[in-house]
Amino acid sequence: ETGVTQTPRHLVMGMTNKKSLKCEQHLGHNAMYWYKQSAKKPLELMFVYSLEERVENNSVPSRFSPECPNSSHLFLHLHTLQPEDSALYLCASSRFGQLYGYTFGSGTRLTVV
Amino acid sequence: DAKTTQPPSMDCAEGRAANLPCNHSTISGNEYVYWYRQIHSQGPQYIIHGLKNNETNEMASLIITEDRKSSTLILPHATLRDTAVYYCIVRSDTGTASKLTFGTGTRLQVTL
Repeated sequence: ETGVTQTPRHLVMGMTNKKSLKCEQHLGHNAMYWYKQSAKKPLELMFVYSLEERVENNSVPSRFSPECPNSSHLFLHLHTLQPEDSALYLCASSRFGQLYGYTFGSGTRLTVV
Repeated sequence: DAKTTQPPSMDCAEGRAANLPCNHSTISGNEYVYWYRQIHSQGPQYIIHGLKNNETNEMASLIITEDRKSSTLILPHATLRDTAVYYCIVRSDTGTASKLTFGTGTRLQVTL
């Protein structure tokens, strides 16, 4: 366990479904991130939250909607996804000025059918 | 943040030292070198970081050249569990939330 917990670990959803991914950390971190990793591709940064405020959105389609209700929780709401959205979705957290970098969760493996 | 260049793959025999190189010729004075690794289908794991001095921890050693344009991650006694993709990343500490940009990394295969 890294201290960053992601649920569910695996998710299969239809293109018309609505689902949410959850990320939770109790490391005292104040920034949280969503990354997407498609097969055989580098990790792509999707969203950055700093002190619960979204500070970066890397041209992510609106069918992905993040939510950060507090510094310990981060959600990624999914609706009307496409099969090409199937990927490993990783959550990470960090603390300002802490040079140890990010702590990642184990990810949610999403399959869109 | 400066860009990094790594070989796509390397092999290492178990028990031997694995030396993973990284070029970061455009690194600037306030940028740190970070190393992460990702074991299959898991989240990346922090290994080590440094600014200009060589660093060592329980996992690895980091050797940074004097001009800081390249570095080498050393796993002193590689085991099968060290088989993973290793990422070299350069970034500055902005004091706020800042992004880590991952490249394609080096796929290290440790063999018997």
